[in-house]
Amino acid sequence: GESVGLHLPTLSVQEGDNSIINCAYSNSASDYFIWYKQESGKGPQFIIDIRSNMDKRQGQRVTVLLNKTVKHLSLQIAATQPGDSAVYFCAENSGIGSTLGRLYFGRGTQLTVWP
Amino acid sequence: DADVTQTPRNRITKTGKRIMLECSQTKGHDRMYWYRQDPGLGLRLIYYSFDVKDINKGEISDGYSVSRQAQAKFSLSLESAIPNQTALYFCATSAGNPYNEQFFGPGTRLTVL
Repeated sequence: GESVGLHLPTLSVQEGDNSIINCAYSNSASDYFIWYKQESGKGPQFIIDIRSNMDKRQGQRVTVLLNKTVKHLSLQIAATQPGDSAVYFCAENSGIGSTLGRLYFGRGTQLTVWP
Repeated sequence: DADVTQTPRNRITKTGKRIMLECSQTKGHDRMYWYRQDPGLGLRLIYYSFDVKDINKGEISDGYSVSRQAQAKFSLSLESAIPNQTALYFCATSAGNPYNEQFFGPGTRLTVL
């Protein structure tokens, strides 16, 4: 079955630095990936997504990179701010058969931004 | 996301009690989901519904049941709560396209004593 995991459970960065959060997946059929941000006491919020026919997608201060060869996904946050402190989850959707539309989540990485 | 609401936000109950968590959405989405989150773990899918007449088990459905009363309402029940069901529960919705994001509610913190 699918498994989505993160390389590091915690990440600490200084304000203004760039952050990189990594995610590995095992299902080669996965064709859609999402990054969510979860602040304390809140539900996950969508950050950015990417389809498997792309290897890079940019948003406001965030970039997602997809390497299908090694089944690796990363989220880059530019000029990290204190408000970026949260848990970040990657999720994937294989989009096949009975799992169509389901998302499988990783365990999350806690990002802490210090001044 | 105010478009997805959950009630109650917090609940403390005792072992053996029946509990219902409710979810409502105003996004007009057909698809609704119930997830459970435990400390240090990601979100695990309990049940999902792709339309009013469609209910499917997720990864961890044992001990839970759901009801899709209308397009906008999806409730989760614990028929006989047990302590290891203590967790944070999230409802989510998405549009019909499987490549659409899921929108999450604020969560319900459930404690079973």
